[in-house]
Amino acid sequence: DVKVTQSSRYLVKRTGEKVFLECVQDMDHENMFWYRQDPGLGLRLIYFSYDVKMKEKGDIPEGYSVSREKKERFSLILESASTNQTSMYLCASRPETELTPYSNQPQHFGDGTRLSIL
Amino acid sequence: QQPVQSPQAVILREGEDAVINCSSSKALYSVHWYRQKHGEAPVFLMILLKGGEQKGHDKISASFNEKKQQSSLYLTASQLSYSGTYFCGTDGGSNYKLTFGKGTLLTVNP
Repeated sequence: DVKVTQSSRYLVKRTGEKVFLECVQDMDHENMFWYRQDPGLGLRLIYFSYDVKMKEKGDIPEGYSVSREKKERFSLILESASTNQTSMYLCASRPETELTPYSNQPQHFGDGTRLSIL
Repeated sequence: QQPVQSPQAVILREGEDAVINCSSSKALYSVHWYRQKHGEAPVFLMILLKGGEQKGHDKISASFNEKKQQSSLYLTASQLSYSGTYFCGTDGGSNYKLTFGKGTLLTVNP
């Protein structure tokens, strides 16, 4: 079974702090994703990475950055945390798709990190 | 742009059927369905690929109408374990990203 592990289930930080959320997957997947989940808004993509050191912005990248130095690890960084970044953060991974114009592989999610910024 | 899911919430009695719809304003190449139970990670259910195929998974099946840019998830003879929030994720063919809907909360009561 694919295992996607997020380093913390709950995290409390202060406004202005630099915050690191870590995600590790054990299935040698090429693609990794960071989402935030807010009530009534569903899952929104922050950043994704299709290979080591490669990244692309998702739909809501402002205030975030990412790092992928090793294939199995994808980090989300809040450069200067603000209260509007209080949310549930979900990491996901997926194997590289075949050469098709669409995604035909499922994403595997971690259990999430509930982040509170005070 | 997020796909639109309907209904937003539905309450069933065990054994009843439900349909959850997912509509997009953009052309779609694939639609993914996930279920998330409270406090847990979303779990993959199925993928519908361009071509209009229908898929089944026990008593849960789905269809994909690419002309109408919509997909429907069918839950028949619902069980208590079906309770959760169902998300559709749509792929418009750009870099394999999925755009998820806001979710449909399904509650199955005894």
